[in-house]
Amino acid sequence: QQPVQSPQAVILREGEDAVINCSSSKALYSVHWYRQKHGEAPVFLMILLKGGEQKGHEKISASFNEKKQQSSLYLTASQLSYSGTYFCGTEEGGADGLTFGKGTHLIIQP
Amino acid sequence: GAVVSQHPSWVICKSGTSVKIECRSLDFQATTMFWYRQFPKQSLMLMATSNEGSKATYEQGVEKDKFLINHASLTLSTLTVTSAHPEDSSFYICSASGGGHYEQYFGPGTRLTVT
Repeated sequence: QQPVQSPQAVILREGEDAVINCSSSKALYSVHWYRQKHGEAPVFLMILLKGGEQKGHEKISASFNEKKQQSSLYLTASQLSYSGTYFCGTEEGGADGLTFGKGTHLIIQP
Repeated sequence: GAVVSQHPSWVICKSGTSVKIECRSLDFQATTMFWYRQFPKQSLMLMATSNEGSKATYEQGVEKDKFLINHASLTLSTLTVTSAHPEDSSFYICSASGGGHYEQYFGPGTRLTVT
């Protein structure tokens, strides 16, 4: 079942923060986050495994609440290069293909 | 991160012909490769999972006789769209995992247009 992402779209000014949420009705093994720019393949951002964890990568971090089957991606002090569509991909068992949400369109304006 | 390539990046073919798309992991051995399809302004949909040396596992609704997948080596998987029709026009993307990489790394995608 497809995870639900929110918001669908968001417009920010450079330097502002954003939070993108991803929730599933099923028990998850892992949550993967990707960013895709128009006409390009998705670029891997990070993966979070069950057990509930938090990860950080420069100004982009994420959390996974296993009890709620929810993950959030945090973008702080956004840069113009952060623009794109963010997808969460979920996995119920290890080594499965990913089920992607519909995506969140992020536009960063100068 | 790991590097995955796809070839060709863009192909136009006539209805009824077959098209082969290659997916290669360039710097690691991919025990598992995945094929996804993405229609314009939509999300990625998993088509099939292939493990090296075994038959691919197709998702519900994906015709295995139409989308032939071969994963003959740890660095190469191919997707052949047989008897392509205009409704098969889409962005086909592969991903690979393995070689110590649990996460999936995506290739650059192949844009297929069937006329």
